Amino acid sequence: DTGVSQDPRHKITKRGQNVTFRCDPISEHNRLYWYRQTLGQGPEFLTYFQNEAQLEKSRLLSDRFSAERPKGSFSTLEIQRTEQGDSAMYLCASSLTDGTGELFFGEGSRLTVL
Amino acid sequence: GENVEQHPSTLSVQEGDSAVIKCTYSDSASNYFPWYKQELGKRPQLIIDIRSNVGEKKDQRIAVTLNKTAKHFSLHITETQPEDSAVYFCAANEKLTFGTGTRLTIIP
Repeated sequence: DTGVSQDPRHKITKRGQNVTFRCDPISEHNRLYWYRQTLGQGPEFLTYFQNEAQLEKSRLLSDRFSAERPKGSFSTLEIQRTEQGDSAMYLCASSLTDGTGELFFGEGSRLTVL
Repeated sequence: GENVEQHPSTLSVQEGDSAVIKCTYSDSASNYFPWYKQELGKRPQLIIDIRSNVGEKKDQRIAVTLNKTAKHFSLHITETQPEDSAVYFCAANEKLTFGTGTRLTIIP
């Protein structure tokens, strides 16, 4: 296991299209997080899972965003009807413990909405 | 929810000098405070963390101090080196509310 992997690394789409990102966490990690990062800002929390259960979703997240982790392993983040403001780096992270431990981040999926 | 403020936003120090970055948080229930380093184009990586039952933690040239009463914590880097140049983020609580980052530049 080489760490958290994300796919695709880059996605360019037209406004109004749907996009989906995938995250494969470190295999034994039970927690999985999604963050969004824009240039010059810190990662912004979107949602996180404990195994397959989605424990929290940011109140800032519109209903166009949905995330799943159906079998408690990989996760997907879907953005419907993309807008230019959705352009950002989408980071996935995983951790082994109850959350009060190191998060291991993936390389991120960069979304550009034209 | 938690709110984390980080200062300064940019910091330049001469190689060999010390650098200090400060963060304040709002939720007194927060009990976990990590610092992440992000080099240009790379993923954030944990460099040090502290839990609320200790006031200070040190790892070689890096130290973190926590003042729970005042709800602030700081990152201290001593004997800075060019490879310390990066963006540093503080964070608080279980699901990590991040600060806005400090771009640290080490001047050779």
